[in-house]
Amino acid sequence: GAVVSQHPSWVICKSGTSVKIECRSLDFQATTMFWYRQFPKQSLMLMATSNEGSKATYEQGVEKDKFLINHASLTLSTLTVTSAHPEDSSFYICSASSRAYEQYFGPGTRLTVT
Amino acid sequence: AQSVAQPEDQVNVAEGNPLTVKCTYSVSGNPYLFWYVQYPNRGLQFLLKYITGDNLVKGSYGFEAEFNKSQTSFHLKKPSALVSDSALYFCAALTGGGNKLTFGTGTQLKVEL
Repeated sequence: GAVVSQHPSWVICKSGTSVKIECRSLDFQATTMFWYRQFPKQSLMLMATSNEGSKATYEQGVEKDKFLINHASLTLSTLTVTSAHPEDSSFYICSASSRAYEQYFGPGTRLTVT
Repeated sequence: AQSVAQPEDQVNVAEGNPLTVKCTYSVSGNPYLFWYVQYPNRGLQFLLKYITGDNLVKGSYGFEAEFNKSQTSFHLKKPSALVSDSALYFCAALTGGGNKLTFGTGTQLKVEL
């Protein structure tokens, strides 16, 4: 149980284009979803927290207009990187939670912007 | 500020030997602590957590961790390491009112034959 999927697992896009990453909880309803960013050989940095049906809460320093997060249902959250640039290249990981003290992580999405 | 520290970037151990990956924390209130493992280009897999109760927590794949309040530590241990345990290990603590995970910088574990 508690499986979280991400799609795509990797994506290459050209600078200036937008890319959408999906995060799905497959066998449970996630009231809260989290989006993290991980640079090579570094830790995970929380970007934003989203609750179903509400606007996402972004961490300090994260551009909300650049990283659009939608949590439309209890099983789906999406992260859209708008007008992507090479510095946005990273490993993006989502996690989903249905109750306190538990987060289940997706496999991650490798974004490369050329 | 609340933080989690993993003082070792890398730990090397021979297969069959015990392993320890260190973690210390600085959080306000009761600490809720976690260990995760990450394999290359993969997400995080949950190993174990401490919320309350016994200081020795047993988790997946034979791992355990000991919560030490006086030393503010939550070290990950395994009695006998396997080559397949080689991966990146993250210690984390719940912060921000209980719904945000703050991660340590990670420790690369390398188990050699």
